Amino acid sequence: GAGVSQSPSNKVTEKGKDVELRCDPISGHTALYWYRQRLGQGLEFLIYFQGNSAPDKSGLPSDRFSAERTGESVSTLTIQRTQQEDSAVYLCASSPRTGGQETQYFGPGTRLLVL
Amino acid sequence: GDSVTQMEGPVTLSEEAFLTINCTYTATGYPSLFWYVQYPGEGLQLLLKATKADDKGSNKGFEATYRKETTSFHLEKGSVQVSDSAVYFCALSRPEYGNKLVFGAGTILRVKS
Repeated sequence: GAGVSQSPSNKVTEKGKDVELRCDPISGHTALYWYRQRLGQGLEFLIYFQGNSAPDKSGLPSDRFSAERTGESVSTLTIQRTQQEDSAVYLCASSPRTGGQETQYFGPGTRLLVL
Repeated sequence: GDSVTQMEGPVTLSEEAFLTINCTYTATGYPSLFWYVQYPGEGLQLLLKATKADDKGSNKGFEATYRKETTSFHLEKGSVQVSDSAVYFCALSRPEYGNKLVFGAGTILRVKS
């Protein structure tokens, strides 16, 4: 079946602009995660959604970052007033649920470059 | 907080050499441990996992054993191939924290023919 998809695959923007990144999880997966991978570094957790529960936003680096999810489907990550340090690959992952040790399936990522 | 430390790369090996990539973790309780791999031009994918102490995860000839006494989860393969060239990430998660993954910095593996 279809895997996790993300769009756009690449985004170049100017400092100060807002950007919106999209994630389509695997159908039926109730848990959705966003991570960030800056050059030469490991992945950092940003936010996760589980069904209709309140999202865990503990990894968001600043109030310029926000994310939404419609039910158990699409999620968007929005970065307002982008800064150069926001340049990174943004990865989305989904899993069937968060109880137990479910595998997270990753999308191909969105590579963001802030000039 | 929880953290994962893995050996710095790049690691360069000849084909058929033995591979070890070290990984240690810091976490309270009983995390699950993972190795993810990112092949050139591809997305991140799970290589293997172990959910409790002394468990051994294995896949594609790779193995890692969950050692609670040394808080380690070292990745090994007896004979690497050029196709194993990739970036390898060690990670942990805990269900009480929604299973969000905590990753190490990644280790680049290059295998020469």
